[in-house]
Amino acid sequence: EPEVTQTPSHQVTQMGQEVILRCVPISNHLYFYWYRQILGQKVEFLVSFYNNEISEKSEIFDDQFSVERPDGSNFTLKIRSTKLEDSAMYFCASSAHGRNTEAFFGQGTRLTVV
Amino acid sequence: KNEVEQSPQNLTAQEGEFITINCSYSVGISALHWLQQHPGGGIVSLFMLSSGKKKHGRLIATINIQEKHSSLHITASHPRDSAVYICAPGPGAGSYQLTFGKGTKLSVIP
Repeated sequence: EPEVTQTPSHQVTQMGQEVILRCVPISNHLYFYWYRQILGQKVEFLVSFYNNEISEKSEIFDDQFSVERPDGSNFTLKIRSTKLEDSAMYFCASSAHGRNTEAFFGQGTRLTVV
Repeated sequence: KNEVEQSPQNLTAQEGEFITINCSYSVGISALHWLQQHPGGGIVSLFMLSSGKKKHGRLIATINIQEKHSSLHITASHPRDSAVYICAPGPGAGSYQLTFGKGTKLSVIP
């Protein structure tokens, strides 16, 4: 069964460093998303991406965040200068056609900023 | 902003019991996801539904779009069903995002 894969599963970084979280969405999907979950809290939407541009972003997704689809398979989330409060589980998801189609999630990347 | 309420927040059941988890939301949406999150943290999509009822194995999900309410039922519960079950309505009109509930932590005891 096709699945969304994320790497790495766990990343530890020093405050102020840049990190790139990687995702390989399901191959025929067109819509891509990033969500995050701070420990003990609910999952929050960060950004959606379609046709090589951001289609929607939340207030959390400020200038320190960026997304990119550098090639035909990868979808990345870059955090430019990490803060302690960026420590969270980051989930990538993809869906075939956006609204009204099922979103499939990756296993997540646990980011720890020290 | 869609306010999502799940009940109960925590649920302990004996193996074999029938389980119901409820979800209410405040803003009209076209579809709703039910998701499962295991202790390791990964999220698995169980259902996406926009009307009526869907069944997958021992799991049944229902939705009433007009009343903004959905339920997830587990028949003949098993210890391996122990997980957090999350309701995520959306997307709504003009949006792509899902809004997540806080989840219901289910523990099934043998």
